[in-house]
Amino acid sequence: DVKVTQSSRYLVKRTGEKVFLECVQDMDHENMFWYRQDPGLGLRLIYFSYDVKMKEKGDIPEGYSVSREKKERFSLILESASTNQTSMYLCASSLLVWSEQFFGPGTRLTVL
Amino acid sequence: DAKTTQPPSMDCAEGRAANLPCNHSTISGNEYVYWYRQIHSQGPQYIIHGLKNNETNEMASLIITEDRKSSTLILPHATLRDTAVYYCIVRVAGGTSYGKLTFGQGTILTVHP
Repeated sequence: DVKVTQSSRYLVKRTGEKVFLECVQDMDHENMFWYRQDPGLGLRLIYFSYDVKMKEKGDIPEGYSVSREKKERFSLILESASTNQTSMYLCASSLLVWSEQFFGPGTRLTVL
Repeated sequence: DAKTTQPPSMDCAEGRAANLPCNHSTISGNEYVYWYRQIHSQGPQYIIHGLKNNETNEMASLIITEDRKSSTLILPHATLRDTAVYYCIVRVAGGTSYGKLTFGQGTILTVHP
């Protein structure tokens, strides 16, 4: 089975802090995604990576950056956390760009 | 990607089959039907997908009508752990959206003892 793990299930940070969310997949997938999910807004793509060191902006990249130094690991960075970044963050991976995506358990981030 | 319409909620008795409908009347010939579900406070889970033939895996069956304008996800023997929000999505292979998933409102399936 594909396994996607995320570094934390729950995280509480203060405004202005730098926040790192890590995601690891064990199926040698080329493609990895970071989404955030908010009530009423559904799933929104933040960043996408199709290979090591390659990334593309999604629909809402402002305030975020990403890093993919190894194939299995995709990190989301909040450079200076703000309260409007309080959300559920979901990492996913897929073998092909358009094949089914496998999600991690999510990180519920609260920024105070 | 084509728009989908699902009922907002459904109930099912434990042990019975759960049949979740989805309308996608504007689906294009190269669009696949995907189903995901999300149990409360967890990440979404891929269930099944198909193009025009019926599909079955260890989790569910997917029945797509001949005109492809609607489909039904069947959980053959629902359990309490199947209580979740179920999302029907139609997606084209290729395009410029980097494979992003977009969930609609979905169907809240509640399985009762």
